[in-house]
Amino acid sequence: EVQLLESGGGLVQPGGSLTLSCAASGFTFSSYAMSWVRQAPGKGLEWVSLISGNSDITYYADSVEGRFTISRDNSKNTLFLQMNNLRAEDTALYYCAKVRSVTAVRKDALDIWGQGTMVTVSS
Amino acid sequence: QSALTQPASVSGSPGQSITISCTGTSSDIGGYNYVSWYQQHPGKAPKLMIYGVNNRPSGVSNRFSGSKSGTTASLTISGLQAEDEADYYCSSYISSSTLVFGGGTKLTVL
Repeated sequence: EVQLLESGGGLVQPGGSLTLSCAASGFTFSSYAMSWVRQAPGKGLEWVSLISGNSDITYYADSVEGRFTISRDNSKNTLFLQMNNLRAEDTALYYCAKVRSVTAVRKDALDIWGQGTMVTVSS
Repeated sequence: QSALTQPASVSGSPGQSITISCTGTSSDIGGYNYVSWYQQHPGKAPKLMIYGVNNRPSGVSNRFSGSKSGTTASLTISGLQAEDEADYYCSSYISSSTLVFGGGTKLTVL
């Protein structure tokens, strides 16, 4: 069964740091680009970041550029999101998601989603 | 990057058809055939319903269909069922970045 399982969320003070993880199973992890998408409480979806299968390409939303770093360990089938200098507006449920195709890395839909991990930024 | 524009809510009775619109620009919907639609039930993760404007993933009912005209994409659900009640989000590739989502549409089945 294809599955994504996020972890690492929690309560952090403004200016603090947190690292999220996403364990993948049931597919050839290294072949697919992966994304992080977040959803603030009661709000819509916001794309956060994307990394290619071999980590040579990364993209970030303007709202997190320079503060968040996406990475992956293909030997452990795990995706990461290092979040620094966190702000109240980063409070959200963070989903990891698999890009559908192996070719249109930046463009294609997200076909597998995890259940999310909650990040709360508050003093 | 600005979000795509969706109506906040739509409603329909069981058996009817409804359409949800998603309006963008020439830099996203109008310029590429990478429009997708997601269904999200309360407390659940989003589920891909349509990709590449009008393609259904395996296992998605053929009651769901997608289309595009100019800078506006649409999701149509025919034969509305109670379990279709959910939030629906459109998404598109955007040339300035990667993906942009719509604000979401709450579908109520009356």
